Amino acid sequence: AQKVTQAQTEISVVEKEDVTLDCVYETRDTTYYLFWYKQPPSGELVFLIRRNSFDEQNEISGRYSWNFQKSTSSFNFTITASQVVDSAVYFCALSRNTGFQKLVFGTGTRLLVSP
Amino acid sequence: DTGVSQDPRHKITKRGQNVTFRCDPISEHNRLYWYRQTLGQGPEFLTYFQNEAQLEKSRLLSDRFSAERPKGSFSTLEIQRTEQGDSAMYLCASSLETRQTSNEQFFGPGTRLTVL
Repeated sequence: AQKVTQAQTEISVVEKEDVTLDCVYETRDTTYYLFWYKQPPSGELVFLIRRNSFDEQNEISGRYSWNFQKSTSSFNFTITASQVVDSAVYFCALSRNTGFQKLVFGTGTRLLVSP
Repeated sequence: DTGVSQDPRHKITKRGQNVTFRCDPISEHNRLYWYRQTLGQGPEFLTYFQNEAQLEKSRLLSDRFSAERPKGSFSTLEIQRTEQGDSAMYLCASSLETRQTSNEQFFGPGTRLTVL
C-alpha cells in the first residue's frame, strides 16, 4: 500500500521568511515518483515537480527547492524568501512509475504568508 | 486556453437526482483521471482511462457512479441517485505518457457538487 503523510496542517510565516514543508511517504515499490502540487484559493491544483525515486539529486527552481532523502522516505519542499502569493495548500503525492499510476496524496499543508 | 477544462464549475442538486460532469483533457493527452476531494483532504483517485479504455476503478466508485471516455477525447462522470455524502469537488486530470513527461498529471479547475 502507498501512503503520504504531511504532518504540518498549517504553517504561518511572515513575508521573506524561508519555510519548509515536510512530506514522508510509504511504499513497497522499489521505484516510484514523488510530486508536489500547489492549490491556491482559486482551487485549481498546480503541478510543481515530479521526482523519480532513483534520482536523489536535490532540485532548485527559483525560490523553490526540494530535498529527497530515500533513507528517511522524505521529500521536503522549501520556499526561500516567501511571498504573499505563496499562500496556498501544498500537497505531496506518490505514484508508481510503471503501469497504473494513480496519485496518492497527503492531506496537505496550508501555508499562510502574511505581509 | 489549452489546459484541462471541466463543466460545470458548480452544481447544486437535490438528493436523489442524477448529475453529469464533463472533462476536456489537454489535447493529445492519452491518459485521463478522475479524483474526488472533500474539505480538508487531498484528492482521492476514482477512475482512470487510457485512451477510451477505462482501466482502473477505485472502491470509492459505487455502482451509482459511471464514467466514460468515448473516442478517447472528453470524459463524462455521472452520479445517479445522488446522496449528501457525494458532496465534494470532482477533479479531472490528464497526462501524456512519454519518458520525459511520465505521469505528470495536469488538473482542471474541478466541479464542486453540493447535494441538498
